[in-house]
Amino acid sequence: GENVEQHPSTLSVQEGDSAVIKCTYSDSASNYFPWYKQELGKGPQLIIDIRSNVGEKKDQRIAVTLNKTAKHFSLHITETQPEDSAVYFCAASKGSNYQLIWGAGTKLIIKP
Amino acid sequence: NAGVTQTPKFRVLKTGQSMTLLCAQDMNHEYMYWYRQDPGMGLRLIHYSVGEGTTAKGEVPDGYNVSRLKKQNFLLGLESAAPSQTSVYFCASSPPLAKQETQYFGPGTRLLVL
Repeated sequence: GENVEQHPSTLSVQEGDSAVIKCTYSDSASNYFPWYKQELGKGPQLIIDIRSNVGEKKDQRIAVTLNKTAKHFSLHITETQPEDSAVYFCAASKGSNYQLIWGAGTKLIIKP
Repeated sequence: NAGVTQTPKFRVLKTGQSMTLLCAQDMNHEYMYWYRQDPGMGLRLIHYSVGEGTTAKGEVPDGYNVSRLKKQNFLLGLESAAPSQTSVYFCASSPPLAKQETQYFGPGTRLLVL
């Protein structure tokens, strides 16, 4: 079946450095790719998303890139800050459906 | 707007007991979802609803039932709880039309089945 693979499972970076999280999806029909941030004890919250007709999207320190040919997309966080510490999830739409297929998550640790 | 709320926040059950988790949203969203989150496995869809009075199975529906009698509420039921259902349960909702893939999550319900 369709799946989304996410790497790494844990990422530790120095405050101020950049962090990159990568996801690979299997469903060729997927056309929507959101990224969610989950802080401890809370539900996931959308931080950025991209659709298949766009290769890159930026929002301040966060950017997402999409390579449809290779079926992978990445989250880039620049100038990391302590408040960026959280679990990040990628997801891909299930074909033309409104359901999402989720990656397993990446725990991002920002070291002071 | 309160967004998506979930009741209760935490519950302990004994094997075989039943319970209902309540999800409510005040954003007039059409679509609602129930997920479970287990360590290292991300989010897995249990059931979902595309509108009042309709429900459908997701990836892991066994042992759960749902109802959507009112547009703003989505109930998840466990008829006979099992230890394998120990998890954190999240409800989400999304608006119709062009933004239907964007899901808004509640704070979660932590369930422990002994």
